[in-house]
Amino acid sequence: DAGITQSPRYKITETGRQVTLMCHQTWSHSYMFWYRQDLGHGLRLIYYSAAADITDKGEVPDGYVVSRSKTENFPLTLESATRSQTSVYFCASKSMSSPTNEKLFFGSGTQLSVL
Amino acid sequence: GIQVEQSPPDLILQEGANSTLRCNFSDSVNNLQWFHQNPWGQLINLFYIPSGTKQNGRLSATTVATERYSLLYISSSQTTDSGVYFCAVGTSGGSNYKLTFGKGTLLTVNP
Repeated sequence: DAGITQSPRYKITETGRQVTLMCHQTWSHSYMFWYRQDLGHGLRLIYYSAAADITDKGEVPDGYVVSRSKTENFPLTLESATRSQTSVYFCASKSMSSPTNEKLFFGSGTQLSVL
Repeated sequence: GIQVEQSPPDLILQEGANSTLRCNFSDSVNNLQWFHQNPWGQLINLFYIPSGTKQNGRLSATTVATERYSLLYISSSQTTDSGVYFCAVGTSGGSNYKLTFGKGTLLTVNP
């Protein structure tokens, strides 16, 4: 049961470079999300997607781009990385099939350092 | 937006002790979940509990939506319970799947 997988697990990049973080889920969940986790801020929503080709901004979308051409993939791109984007990034997904169980499931995270 | 406050921020227990973690929120919710982040960073969903009470082994949770709080009970704590516990809520006003997270309670269980 692969579930939801993120890659890479760790990434070091330089200011100004483009970086793409990958997220893949095998559950055919409709909804997918990207969160970032920072000390003092907890988890904050960057972008989310309700289905393939449907995406929307979350709380902190500036500097990020997402796409969702296939249900199972939801990549997050930092177009021009900045030091303030150093963080741990979590992808998550949930099914829309049951109104009585809205559980959110997370990947293992990507630790990104921007030098 | 909705405010989510968790208490206490830190908690240190001896193995075998019981504990109660609290989550207060500032608006009506129809989605509330508890998560455990283990020392390796993995986030595990413990409960989906917008109202009522649920139990899973040594853990149980109660949400009193009308009073805007939820409690997570850990009984007979074990060292593997260590980590950060997050409460996350989705509001009744539409996009309840967009969760707002509290800042967490850091639990340390000593042997």
